[in-house]
Amino acid sequence: EAQVTQNPRYLITVTGKKLTVTCSQNMNHEYMSWYRQDPGLGLRQIYYSMNVEVTDKGDVPEGYKVSRKEKRNFPLILESPSPNQTSLYFCASSHTWDTEAFFGQGTRLTVV
Amino acid sequence: EDQVTQSPEALRLQEGESSSLNCSYTVSGLRGLFWYRQDPGKGPEFLFTLYSAGEEKEKERLKATLTKKESFLHITAPKPEDSATYLCAVPPDSSNTGKLIFGQGTTLQVKP
Repeated sequence: EAQVTQNPRYLITVTGKKLTVTCSQNMNHEYMSWYRQDPGLGLRQIYYSMNVEVTDKGDVPEGYKVSRKEKRNFPLILESPSPNQTSLYFCASSHTWDTEAFFGQGTRLTVV
Repeated sequence: EDQVTQSPEALRLQEGESSSLNCSYTVSGLRGLFWYRQDPGKGPEFLFTLYSAGEEKEKERLKATLTKKESFLHITAPKPEDSATYLCAVPPDSSNTGKLIFGQGTTLQVKP
């Protein structure tokens, strides 16, 4: 089954404790992205990647890092999480920039 | 500045009452416009891609149309299961990198 898998689904952590949210896709897609979704602000792109070792900043990259060492994986790293990073996060992948994007189930992160 | 604006923010319909959702954008040289559906707590699900003014696409009770400055999602005789948030998104000017700008969405509620 074609899918994008994020882990964990839910996470509560404390300010400053480094964390990684994993994302993996099984469709051999070139393009992958991370989004955060907040009430009243909608979906905003954090980082995106066009291929292995090619990543770039989206609209809200501050406080986040990503890596794309393998085609299937695109982890999101929060080196020092802060409460304003409490949000619902989605990973997505697509074959090309203009084709259907498949989204993961989401990761609800709370930073206290 | 590239912008995507959706209206209305929320829409309540009776079952069978047709209506339209609007997505307007300020990106020049549009390279594509995407419609997604999102159910609460889940990742967005792809509906349509439109590439040029005049293009139309249909899926069950949904029809998406595109002009030079906006797109409409027409819902004909909606059912309660059509209740969801509908999102539109466009790539910014000259971008084929996977970067996307999403509107804030229209939350549709269809009452039986």
